[in-house]
Amino acid sequence: QVQLVQSGPELKKPGASAKVSCKAYGYIFITSGVTWVRQAPGQRPEWLGWINAYDGHTNYPQNFRGRVTITADRSTNTAYMELRNLRSDDTAVYYCAKDFDFSISNWGQGTLLTVSS
Amino acid sequence: QTVVTQEPSLTVSPGGTVTLTCASSIGAVTRDDYPNWFQQKPGQPPRSLIFTTDNRHSWTPARFSGSLLGDKAALTLSDLQPEDEAYYYCGLLLRGDWVFGGGTKLTVL
Repeated sequence: QVQLVQSGPELKKPGASAKVSCKAYGYIFITSGVTWVRQAPGQRPEWLGWINAYDGHTNYPQNFRGRVTITADRSTNTAYMELRNLRSDDTAVYYCAKDFDFSISNWGQGTLLTVSS
Repeated sequence: QTVVTQEPSLTVSPGGTVTLTCASSIGAVTRDDYPNWFQQKPGQPPRSLIFTTDNRHSWTPARFSGSLLGDKAALTLSDLQPEDEAYYYCGLLLRGDWVFGGGTKLTVL
């Protein structure tokens, strides 16, 4: 069945970068997109961007443009989300999800990113 | 800044029916906003329930249904079970960006 498996928790200092991976199983990776969402404790989900796994086309919201980069490796069926210049308010659980044809369907288990000095 | 608004909390009795709504600060929610609905329990990732307004995923119970209600997207849950107690979020694709609502805490009591 479809499964997205994310990398483990990370602890980073302010100003550093973090890169989270998301390996896809159970479907043909290049036939779908991957969306990234984060959720701080007690907060609503926040969209970070999306990638078309076939051609690498990306779309980012204005408030993350320039700080987030999403990539996809077709040889390993893995998507990546890199967030740079980390701040304490970037502390959140980061999720990837299969996103195809305006449907967000299967979610990864989440990756806790903690930013603290 | 675009804001998506949901009821903060609702309480319903077991076996009852409840409708959750999802409004956009831009204007009326339409099918072109591709409403998606998600259920989230504490400590778990979201679980997708509904996509593109009224389509269930293969794992979504038939007693969960999506629709448009007036100028909002709606999620109706019927024959409520104790395990339906959770947060429910909507997501709208607005001007090319996914925007999520603040969530509704549903209590089944």
